[in-house]
Amino acid sequence: GAGVSQSPSNKVTEKGKDVELRCDPISGHTALYWYRQSLGQGLEFLIYFQGNSAPDKSGLPSDRFSAERTGGSVSTLTIQRTQQEDSAVYLCASTSPGTGELFFGEGSRLTVL
Amino acid sequence: GEDVEQSLFLSVREGDSSVINCTYTDSSSTYLYWYKQEPGAGLQLLTYIFSNMDMKQDQRLTVLLNKKDKHLSLRIADTQTGDSAIYFCAESHPGSARQLTFGSGTQLTVLP
Repeated sequence: GAGVSQSPSNKVTEKGKDVELRCDPISGHTALYWYRQSLGQGLEFLIYFQGNSAPDKSGLPSDRFSAERTGGSVSTLTIQRTQQEDSAVYLCASTSPGTGELFFGEGSRLTVL
Repeated sequence: GEDVEQSLFLSVREGDSSVINCTYTDSSSTYLYWYKQEPGAGLQLLTYIFSNMDMKQDQRLTVLLNKKDKHLSLRIADTQTGDSAIYFCAESHPGSARQLTFGSGTQLTVLP
């Protein structure tokens, strides 16, 4: 597609359930980022993938969070045993190889009841 | 440490100028960015400035950088209702995979 695509756009789940959020980056972008945006907060870095290198997971807030990127393209962010404080918008971005500009998806809004 | 600070809210009248301010801490930042987020959408790059510049103008947008004080501002001339959005300041980190640190965003409301 023309832009970064994320799904689902909205997810409501019960506390304790697992959720998966998907990101399909712009074709040809080798770098992919996940950020979390909470109400009134900036963008919190979660994880970064660059090509075939080991991902930078230093922003993941707990071991309930994990992410993978298959075939250097689509990425999935998984949150296990969700908690209410996980409620946020999860944004994915990919980077243009030349300029380094981040292109963002529209985000997945997660609500944990 | 890495920290980017912005005020959370700004209201202006349509046709007035808006000035959104940002302070950052990483003196080695090479680029500073302004991103715009409209309701229900992701962030879009508005403009950026290289750290050896002190001003950049792009149509209705003027970016001012005071590197000594680590202060960045975005001025929007003749603000329109379509400019209502959240504006994020971000600093880059050379050599860091994290690429950018974002501020908390400033919610700009344009009143008719």
